[in-house]
Amino acid sequence: GDSVTQMEGPVTLSEEAFLTINCTYTATGYPSLFWYVQYPGEGLQLLLKATKADDKGSNKGFEATYRKETTSFHLEKGSVQVSDSAVYFCALYQGGKLIFGQGTELSVKP
Amino acid sequence: SAVISQKPSRDICQRGTSLTIQCQVDSQVTMMFWYRQQPGQSLTLIATANQGSEATYESGFVIDKFPISRPNLTFSTLTVSNMSPEDSSIYLCSVGGWNNYGYTFGSGTRLTVV
Repeated sequence: GDSVTQMEGPVTLSEEAFLTINCTYTATGYPSLFWYVQYPGEGLQLLLKATKADDKGSNKGFEATYRKETTSFHLEKGSVQVSDSAVYFCALYQGGKLIFGQGTELSVKP
Repeated sequence: SAVISQKPSRDICQRGTSLTIQCQVDSQVTMMFWYRQQPGQSLTLIATANQGSEATYESGFVIDKFPISRPNLTFSTLTVSNMSPEDSSIYLCSVGGWNNYGYTFGSGTRLTVV
């Protein structure tokens, strides 16, 4: 069945470091792909999305590119801030359902 | 995008009791979704609730344990019945569709069963 795999956390970075969180997926067809963020004590917020191959989603300095050839949707940010500390979820939409990866916890230290 | 109000935000319940979680949306939506997020885990879809019809449950979830109501296009409830400590999780409702704004989530209900 369809699935999403994320790199394991927790990821700890210093402020202004470069961030990459890997996400790969398995799906039939061409799903839409999402990154969601969950700040401590809060619900999920949509961070960015891409609906077809080579699309780049971007928001708040985060970017991810839909790579069909490698079935990947890695999340990147050039310079992280303490306020980016959260859990990040990669997800795909297929067949009327959202399927989530296991989440990656990011901790940014000043 | 839609704004979702979910309550309670947290609760501590005795085993064997039931808790009903409410989800109110500020606009009419066709489908509402209920998810469970167990400690340290990802989100798992419990069921999809359409107004005017019975909810559709995912594998591993049954109506007797998680009855859902959907009385109108802006409201839904999820009940966690006959609770055990294994039901301790965050429960979230969600609305929307990928082709608009992606899915919008409520802030969640953090349930602890003792």
